[in-house]
Amino acid sequence: EAGVTQSPRYAVLQEGQAVSFWCDPISGHDTLYWYQQPRDQGPQLLVYFRDEAVIDNSQLPSDRFSAVRPKGTNSTLKIQSAKQGDTATYLCASSLGWGGTGQLYFGEGSKLTVL
Amino acid sequence: QQQVRQSPQSLTVWEGETAILNCSYEDSTFNYFPWYQQFPGEGPALLISIRSVSDKKEDGRFTIFFNKREKKLSLHITDSQPGDSATYFCAAHDTNAYKVIFGKGTHLHVLP
Repeated sequence: EAGVTQSPRYAVLQEGQAVSFWCDPISGHDTLYWYQQPRDQGPQLLVYFRDEAVIDNSQLPSDRFSAVRPKGTNSTLKIQSAKQGDTATYLCASSLGWGGTGQLYFGEGSKLTVL
Repeated sequence: QQQVRQSPQSLTVWEGETAILNCSYEDSTFNYFPWYQQFPGEGPALLISIRSVSDKKEDGRFTIFFNKREKKLSLHITDSQPGDSATYFCAAHDTNAYKVIFGKGTHLHVLP
């Protein structure tokens, strides 16, 4: 079974540039999460979906961040006008089931550096 | 507001010793607590988990002790091995909202 796939693995930007991260979850997993993990810190929840619906995006840092999952499968996290404070690894995770204790499966992450 | 706290931030033990990692939480709606292990350059991976109806969960060298009244739990790693050197995250599930919150992690170093 294929795991969670993320791309690109690395991105280096100048402040003000935009970047998109793509996530392909495990087939059949209905719940998808995006986390931001600054260096030497724990994952911080940004947004999560059940199928194509956003369940909670209240933790997205600002309107510069957006996330979609149009067909309830793949997802894209976009950062517009990046800032140095956005430097972090962006992790995608998926799980099966809602309201239970489903295990989260993480991708390897997309490491963003904003100069 | 930090809902899941971990201590210590960093821990060094010798091979064969028991490492004890601590975690506490604030929200009473949390009822499922997984621990994730993360190696550099990789995403976190589930190590062991416990439901709030239990006070202990054991899996090989890894044991979770859970105190619901005090809202505290700990992960004990017995006979620590150099390969256990990693960052360990305590997480909490709010199963009503299906939100999963992570602590800041404990960096474990096991010296041979």
